[in-house]
Amino acid sequence: GAGVSQTPSNKVTEKGKYVELRCDPISGHTALYWYRQSLGQGPEFLIYFQGTGAADDSGLPNDRFFAVRPEGSVSTLKIQRTERGDSAVYLCASSLMDSTDTQYFGPGTRLTVL
Amino acid sequence: GDSVTQMEGPVTLSEEAFLTINCTYTATGYPSLFWYVQYPGEGLQLLLKATKADDKGSNKGFEATYRKETTSFHLEKGSVQVSDSAVYFCALSDLSGYNKLIFGAGTRLAVHP
Repeated sequence: GAGVSQTPSNKVTEKGKYVELRCDPISGHTALYWYRQSLGQGPEFLIYFQGTGAADDSGLPNDRFFAVRPEGSVSTLKIQRTERGDSAVYLCASSLMDSTDTQYFGPGTRLTVL
Repeated sequence: GDSVTQMEGPVTLSEEAFLTINCTYTATGYPSLFWYVQYPGEGLQLLLKATKADDKGSNKGFEATYRKETTSFHLEKGSVQVSDSAVYFCALSDLSGYNKLIFGAGTRLAVHP
């Protein structure tokens, strides 16, 4: 079946602009996670959704970052007033539920802020 | 807070050599432990996992044992192939109930014929 998909695969933007990154989880998966992977580092947790609600947003670096999942499926990560330090690969993962189920990762969106 | 430390790469091996990638963790309690792999141009894939002490995870010839006494989860393979060339990430799931993953920095493995 279809895996987690993310669009766009690459996004180049200018400092100060607004960007949206989209994640389509595996059908039926209620848990959805966003991570950020900087060059040469492991992924770092940003936010977790169970259904439509953000159960844990403790990893969002500041209030320029926001994410939604209005219908409990597709999620959008929104970054306002982008900064060069936001450049990274943004990864989305989904799992059937939030307990010990395996997280399946998408291919990521590479964001470059010039 | 919880953290994962893994050996720095790159690790360069000849085909059929023995592989060990060290991973140690710091956590309050007993989290589940994972190895994820990222092949060139692909997304992260779960390689293996262990959910309690002394459990051994295994897949594709790779193994790792959850060692509570040494807080370690070292990855091993007896005979690597060129196709094993990838970046390997050790991770733990925190005990908040939300299963968010905490990753190490990754270890790049290059296997030469």
